[in-house]
Amino acid sequence: KQEVTQIPAALSVPEGENLVLNCSFTDSAIYNLQWFRQDPGKGLTSLLLIQSSQREQTSGRLNASLDKSSGRSTLYIAASQPGDSATYLCAVKTGANNLFFGTGTRLTVIP
Amino acid sequence: DAGVIQSPRHEVTEMGQEVTLRCKPISGHDYLFWYRQTMMRGLELLIYFNNNVPIDDSGMPEDRFSAKMPNASFSTLKIQPSEPRDSAVYFCASSRQGSTNEKLFFGSGTQLSVL
Repeated sequence: KQEVTQIPAALSVPEGENLVLNCSFTDSAIYNLQWFRQDPGKGLTSLLLIQSSQREQTSGRLNASLDKSSGRSTLYIAASQPGDSATYLCAVKTGANNLFFGTGTRLTVIP
Repeated sequence: DAGVIQSPRHEVTEMGQEVTLRCKPISGHDYLFWYRQTMMRGLELLIYFNNNVPIDDSGMPEDRFSAKMPNASFSTLKIQPSEPRDSAVYFCASSRQGSTNEKLFFGSGTQLSVL
């Protein structure tokens, strides 16, 4: 069974700092990988989706990379802002329509 | 579009009672998913539908759980009888058919507390 791990579980950074969140998965046979954001008491919002054939995707200050062979993905956030504070989850899609989620990294950006 | 709509937002009930959670997917989306989120186990897929037909219910924890999708715009997840260990946030999500690379859109969830 696919297992998805996110490290660190929590991260605090001062405003303006660039940061990297990590995601690793055990089975490299994936269709795609998504990064989600979850605010407290809210649902998940999809930030970036990387197809299995792609290496990275960018949206604004966010850049996600994928190294399928090594089972790793990173989410890079440039010039972090307090509004970026949330839990970030990665999820890999393997066969059928099941997404396997990591347990998330709780990010706090300190003003 | 209003997004995926779930109701109720919060549900508090007593052990043994029946609980029904509701979901309205985004119009035009052919896939509907029910997830459960807990601190211990994270996000788990319970069941998903394609064109209103249940495709994979292997994540449904036990027979006390059932889900239906009578039409393209409505789905329910029912727990009968409920138990304290069912306490969790239940999310509904939908996506569009036709591509393996469609994003998944989540509702705001139902916070269920079984006392």
